[in-house]
Amino acid sequence: GAGVSQSPSNKVTEKGKDVELRCDPISGHTALYWYRQRLGQGLEFLIYFQGNSAPDKSGLPSDRFSAERTGESVSTLTIQRTQQEDSAVYLCASSLYRNSNQPQHFGDGTRLSIL
Amino acid sequence: AQKITQTQPGMFVQEKEAVTLDCTYDTSDPSYGLFWYKQPSSGEMIFLIYQGSYDQQNATEGRYSLNFQKARKSANLVISASQLGDSAMYFCAMTNRDDKIIFGKGTRLHILP
Repeated sequence: GAGVSQSPSNKVTEKGKDVELRCDPISGHTALYWYRQRLGQGLEFLIYFQGNSAPDKSGLPSDRFSAERTGESVSTLTIQRTQQEDSAVYLCASSLYRNSNQPQHFGDGTRLSIL
Repeated sequence: AQKITQTQPGMFVQEKEAVTLDCTYDTSDPSYGLFWYKQPSSGEMIFLIYQGSYDQQNATEGRYSLNFQKARKSANLVISASQLGDSAMYFCAMTNRDDKIIFGKGTRLHILP
């Protein structure tokens, strides 16, 4: 498709399990971003990639969170030993390149529910 | 420290009226970008409009315009002739050369028929 694609769209899992969220950016977009949005809240920036590199990982909430990107394309966000407070919508966005004037194009998100 | 403030958690506006959604920001970087996004109840984030810190004119995109007042550090979104489909959450966001991207807490807009 032409837009940012995220999978799964919904994920329900038990506390303590690991989850992996996937993002396919728009083809040709070099910058990729991950955000978390808790219910009724704004977006919390997690991490961004320029190409396959993540210059700043300070937005990740804890060491249970990690992300990687390969081939300057698909990215995965992994949450290990999930906790109930990890329940949120995880949004991925991409932009043509990392620059302050580039709009980000968002996927529909993955709604993660931790039981 | 960078900050985006949206002071209106919710607004109710009559259809066809103009709407102004407030956004103020704080940054020490002279180069930055300001964005507005719309998030309908379906959840997707839709890019609306962009204003660069060095842009001389206010940005406009169809019914959307950005009232950029640099000295006051405000970047209010104006929606002209509001429609029922404009009901959504609206987020103001800022980026700068530090590669930090921050969003405001949002304003929920309700358009009344």
